[in-house]
Amino acid sequence: GENVEQHPSTLSVQEGDSAVIKCTYSDSASNYFPWYKQELGKRPQLIIDIRSNVGEKKDQRIAVTLNKTAKHFSLHITETQPEDSAVYFCAASILGGDKLIFGTGTRLQVFP
Amino acid sequence: EAQVTQNPRYLITVTGKKLTVTCSQNMNHEYMSWYRQDPGLGLRQIYYSMNVEVTDKGDVPEGYKVSRKEKRNFPLILESPSPNQTSLYFCASSLLAGANTEAFFGQGTRLTVV
Repeated sequence: GENVEQHPSTLSVQEGDSAVIKCTYSDSASNYFPWYKQELGKRPQLIIDIRSNVGEKKDQRIAVTLNKTAKHFSLHITETQPEDSAVYFCAASILGGDKLIFGTGTRLQVFP
Repeated sequence: EAQVTQNPRYLITVTGKKLTVTCSQNMNHEYMSWYRQDPGLGLRQIYYSMNVEVTDKGDVPEGYKVSRKEKRNFPLILESPSPNQTSLYFCASSLLAGANTEAFFGQGTRLTVV
């Protein structure tokens, strides 16, 4: 079955710097890759997703890139702010599939 | 307001005492699932349901049961809880019968089994 690995497990950056979180997946049939943000004590919420027919997607300060050949995808956050501090989860799924497999999460801390 | 509602938010119970965590969504979503969140392990799927009366095992189903008698409700049942089921549980729903649309999560249920 699908396996998703996520790195790093923790990431500390200075406010204004960029943060990059990387994930790899094992099933080449996977074609949907969402990212969820979980603030302390809150529920996970979708922040951006990408499907395999595109290589990059941006939404203001966040972007996701996908390399299908290498089977990895990354989340990029530019101009980080303290409110970006949270746990971020990547995930992978197959179109029409019945399971969403999550990575183990990255705790991002943005220091003012 | 569109939402997924779980109850209770917090629960402390004793080993072997049956319990049910309820989950309800008001968005007419077809897909519902349960996850448990443990430090260092991320979100692991327990059970999922593609539609009414259709349920299937996720990656960590042992010790859990579910049912989907109505579209809006998807309760998680622990027949005989054990301490290794102490965890943070999330219910989630998605619009389509599949895992590749946005998942909306409930508020979470923190379960402690002593």
